[in-house]
Amino acid sequence: DTEVTQTPKHLVMGMTNKKSLKCEQHMGHRAMYWYKQKAKKPPELMFVYSYEKLSINESVPSRFSPECPNSSLLNLHLHALQPEDSALYLCASSGTGTTQNSPLHFGNGTRLTVT
Amino acid sequence: GENVEQHPSTLSVQEGDSAVIKCTYSDSASNYFPWYKQELGKGPQLIIDIRSNVGEKKDQRIAVTLNKTAKHFSLHITETQPEDSAVYFCAASRTGANNLFFGTGTRLTVIP
Repeated sequence: DTEVTQTPKHLVMGMTNKKSLKCEQHMGHRAMYWYKQKAKKPPELMFVYSYEKLSINESVPSRFSPECPNSSLLNLHLHALQPEDSALYLCASSGTGTTQNSPLHFGNGTRLTVT
Repeated sequence: GENVEQHPSTLSVQEGDSAVIKCTYSDSASNYFPWYKQELGKGPQLIIDIRSNVGEKKDQRIAVTLNKTAKHFSLHITETQPEDSAVYFCAASRTGANNLFFGTGTRLTVIP
C-alpha cells in the first residue's frame, strides 16, 4: 500500500459544482505534488509545493486551485471544470534533499469524471 | 527541455522469460533515472532508480542499465511472473523528483 493517501477514490461532478481533492502523507516529506494522468498517458505535472509554498505551477487553468494547509496535507479545489478535465489526479510527495534521498512517491489517485 | 522516448509501447512475454524496456533521453545534464510500475487502478510505484555515477543497478529480478554516452537506459525483468503485468514508465531528470520527464509508457503482459 502507498504511504500517500488520497480521497476520494472516485468523484463525479457537474460543470457547475465545486469539489476538493485531498492528499495526506506522513513520511516527513516537505515537497508535495499534483499530477494529472489521462488514459494511456504518463502523468503530467500540475503543481509543486515546497515547504508549504507553491514553487511550480505548470500553467494550469485557474479552475484548479491548490492549497497546502500544512506539511502533511495537500488539497486541490475544483470549480467550473470541463468534461476534458476528466482524468486520474495523482498526489505525490518527496524529500527536498539530493536525489539520493528524495524519490517521488505517488498516491493511488482520484478518478474524476466531469459531466 | 528534456525529451524521453520509450519503446516498445506494448510487450507480451511468456511467464519465466525476460522483458526489456528501453528509454532514450535528450538532455545530457540529466542524472537521475527512475522506473515506475503502474498497476490497474493504482498510482505509479517506484521500482528502481539509477543515478549517472553508476552504470547498472540490480534488485532481485529487476535491473537497470545506463549508457550516458549514448543517452539511453533500460529496464530488465528476469523470470517474469503474471504479477509483473502492468504499465511501466521511465523518467529522467537533472534536478530530481521535482522535475521528472516521463516516457510514454510500456504495457507489459506476462502470459501464464
